[in-house]
Amino acid sequence: DVKVTQSSRYLVKRTGEKVFLECVQDMDHENMFWYRQDPGLGLRLIYFSYDVKMKEKGDIPEGYSVSREKKERFSLILESASTNQTSMYLCASSLWPAEGTIYFGEGSWLTVV
Amino acid sequence: AQTVTQSQPEMSVQEAETVTLSCTYDTSESNYYLFWYKQPPSRQMILVIRQEAYKQQNATENRFSVNFQKAAKSFSLKISDSQLGDTAMYFCAFMNNNNDMRFGAGTRLTVKP
Repeated sequence: DVKVTQSSRYLVKRTGEKVFLECVQDMDHENMFWYRQDPGLGLRLIYFSYDVKMKEKGDIPEGYSVSREKKERFSLILESASTNQTSMYLCASSLWPAEGTIYFGEGSWLTVV
Repeated sequence: AQTVTQSQPEMSVQEAETVTLSCTYDTSESNYYLFWYKQPPSRQMILVIRQEAYKQQNATENRFSVNFQKAAKSFSLKISDSQLGDTAMYFCAFMNNNNDMRFGAGTRLTVKP
């Protein structure tokens, strides 16, 4: 079975802190994604990556950066956390070219106080 | 960028009855994929059904089927013989050939006994 693992399920951080959310997939997928999920807004794409060291901005990249140094790992970085970044963050991966199926991690709940 | 619209924030259905969830999307591309995902209270996203845009035949997976109207850019999900375990958030999603995947805001479905 495909497994997408997000290292932290629940985090509480202070305003201004630098926050790292880590995601690892074990199926050698080329594509990896970071989404943010908020009630009434669905899933919004922050960044995605189709190869090591490659990244593309999604709909809401402001305040975030990403790193993909290895194929299996995709990190989301909040350079200076703010309270409006309190949310659920979902990592996902899929094959390239996309045969369509995207696999999600269980999510990371981030609270910024 | 592509947009996905789910106009029904919440729906309910009696157990064993049929319910249809609506989804429309906007794109200028001719080749793409469409999906329905289920997110139960556990928060793990589960793929329900997938449709390739080049296929005219509507996808079916057991009790789940879609009505894909390409010209109208409509992709509705029909759940037959609803079960209590179908209670969840349902997300419609669009993926283009660049593997850029976008989601709707979701529909919260409650199956009542």
